[in-house]
This record gives sequence, C-alpha cells and structure tokens, in this order.
Amino acid sequence: GAGVSQSPRYKVAKRGQDVALRCDPISGHVSLFWYQQALGQGPEFLTYFQNEAQLDKSGLPSDRFFAERPEGSVSTLKIQRTQQEDSAVYLCASSFGQITGELFFGEGSRLTVL
Amino acid sequence: AQKVTQAQTEISVVEKEDVTLDCVYETRDTTYYLFWYKQPPSGELVFLIRRNSFDEQNEISGRYSWNFQKSTSSFNFTITASQVVDSAVYFCALSGGSGNTGKLIFGQGTTLQVKP
Repeated sequence: GAGVSQSPRYKVAKRGQDVALRCDPISGHVSLFWYQQALGQGPEFLTYFQNEAQLDKSGLPSDRFFAERPEGSVSTLKIQRTQQEDSAVYLCASSFGQITGELFFGEGSRLTVL
Repeated sequence: AQKVTQAQTEISVVEKEDVTLDCVYETRDTTYYLFWYKQPPSGELVFLIRRNSFDEQNEISGRYSWNFQKSTSSFNFTITASQVVDSAVYFCALSGGSGNTGKLIFGQGTTLQVKP
C-alpha cells in the first residue's frame, strides 16, 4: 500500500518476553520516527532515523528498548524483557525530507503485557 | 521546558454546530512549529496543519480554521458546521527545539463527538 504499514497490529506478551514491532515506511521517505502512545494520552517521541542513522534516541524509556533501520527503509522496534508499563500503542511515522514536520503515521501496534 | 496543554478532554456537539478546540503551548525557542493532527478510531494520526512561529496569519481550509496568537501562546482550531465524520481525537503538537520538527511534543488530546 501507499501508507505506513505496521505489524503486528496487536501483540499480547507475557511479562519478561521480548517483542519486535515492524514499521514499513512510505517508499522514499528519508525520516522515520517511533512514538509511544499510552491509553488516553498523546503520543510521546521515542526515536528518530534519517536513512539508516539513528540521530535521536532520547525518548527511549530504558535500555530495554532498541530500534534499528539497517538499510534505511524498514525499521524494527525491539523491547526486551517486557514490563506491564510497556503496554501502549507504538506508532511509526515517516516523512520525505530531513525535516518537514508533516509526518505520515501508521495505524500503530498495540502491545499488551500481561 | 516545552509543553502543550489541551484543557478540553472531551467535547460533544450536535451536527452543524461550530466548535473550537483550544491549545496552549510553552516554549523558550524563538523558532518553532505548531501542528494539529486528527486521530480517527482506526488509530493513525492524520496531519491537518503546520504553522511556524513567524507566521501569525490565521488560516482557513474549508470548514477548518486556525487562530495562532503568539501573545497568548495559543493555537486554536475551529471546525465550522461540524459533521459526524469530524468525530475523532484531535492533538495539538509543538516541534522540538533542536530543529528536528519531526520530534513533536503532543498535548493530551481532545475527543470530539459530533452527534447527528
């Protein structure tokens, strides 16, 4: 499709499990962002890639969170040893230029940690 | 510190009514961008508008209009003649001061319900 694609849409994990969330941005988009959205809250920035370079990871809440974009296209957000407080919707967004502000978001991956 | 406040948690109107969503922001940057996004039930955020801090002209796009007032640090959004399809959560956001305008500070959102 033409939009940002995220998978899985829903993930249920037991506490302590590792999870991997995938984002397929719009073709040709240089910039890619991950956001975390807790229930009833606005999205919160996690990390930013420009092509394959991770230029900003200041929003990652702990060293259990890791993101990569090895070929400058698809990105994976990995959460190790999941905790209940990790339950949220993880949104991926991409944009064409280096800095445009107009982000195209995917529908998100809803993670529930039991 | 940068902050965005959307004081209205939920608003309910009847179709064809006008509705204004409030947004107040805090930043020490002289150059910044403000945004509005719409989040329908499907979950993806849809970009509506971006304004930079040097452009205080109000903007109108169809039934949507935006009022940016630097003096009060507000960037309010008005929907004229609301429709049921306008029902969604609306987020106001502020760009981070680093110049990376994709690093957005979002407000908590306003849920708008438009009843037929």
